[in-house]
Amino acid sequence: AQRVTQPEKLLSVFKGAPVELKCNYSYSGSPELFWYVQYSRQRLQLLLRHISRESIKGFTADLNKGETSFHLKKPFAQEEDSAMYYCALTRGGKLIFGQGTELSVKP
Amino acid sequence: DAEITQSPRHKITETGRQVTLACHQTWNHNNMFWYRQDLGHGLRLIHYSYGVHDTNKGEVSDGYSVSRSNTEDLPLTLESAASSQTSVYFCASNSKGISTDTQYFGPGTRLTVL
Repeated sequence: AQRVTQPEKLLSVFKGAPVELKCNYSYSGSPELFWYVQYSRQRLQLLLRHISRESIKGFTADLNKGETSFHLKKPFAQEEDSAMYYCALTRGGKLIFGQGTELSVKP
Repeated sequence: DAEITQSPRHKITETGRQVTLACHQTWNHNNMFWYRQDLGHGLRLIHYSYGVHDTNKGEVSDGYSVSRSNTEDLPLTLESAASSQTSVYFCASNSKGISTDTQYFGPGTRLTVL
């Protein structure tokens, strides 16, 4: 069965520290993976997708098919990065989400 | 500007009552989705639609129904509300046939069932 796992419910770091939000998936086939972000009192929005190989707000994510992972990384965290982050994969146009990781960046 | 809206934003109801949550999008997207967001579970798909008169069950569809009579709207109905359905509900939409297309989310409806 297709599944997305985010092992950390909460990740707390200090401003300027590196950040890695973990995401592992199980999928039979070639997955299409995304990171969505939800800032406080705002709606969920796309942060990045693996096919674009882009860096958004300093975040990057590399698809590792061998380890079935799609970890989200940022070298220097900022306070405005504090939010809820969801990893997701798409199957037939539908999104399957992980449980989410709350990132808290302290000053 | 095109957008996706949900109403009401907050709703308190009693066990056993029928409740309908509205979702309206002006992007002319064919695909629309309903999710519920719960701590420890992330977002889970309730129902989805790929076009007018098309509806499909998602992962947690029991106790919910949807209908799609036009492109813009996908109302979600709780037939007989239960306390387990207390949650935040999000509607989303995207383009037809493009699996990698971004899903655009509404602002959410916080539902409390007493």
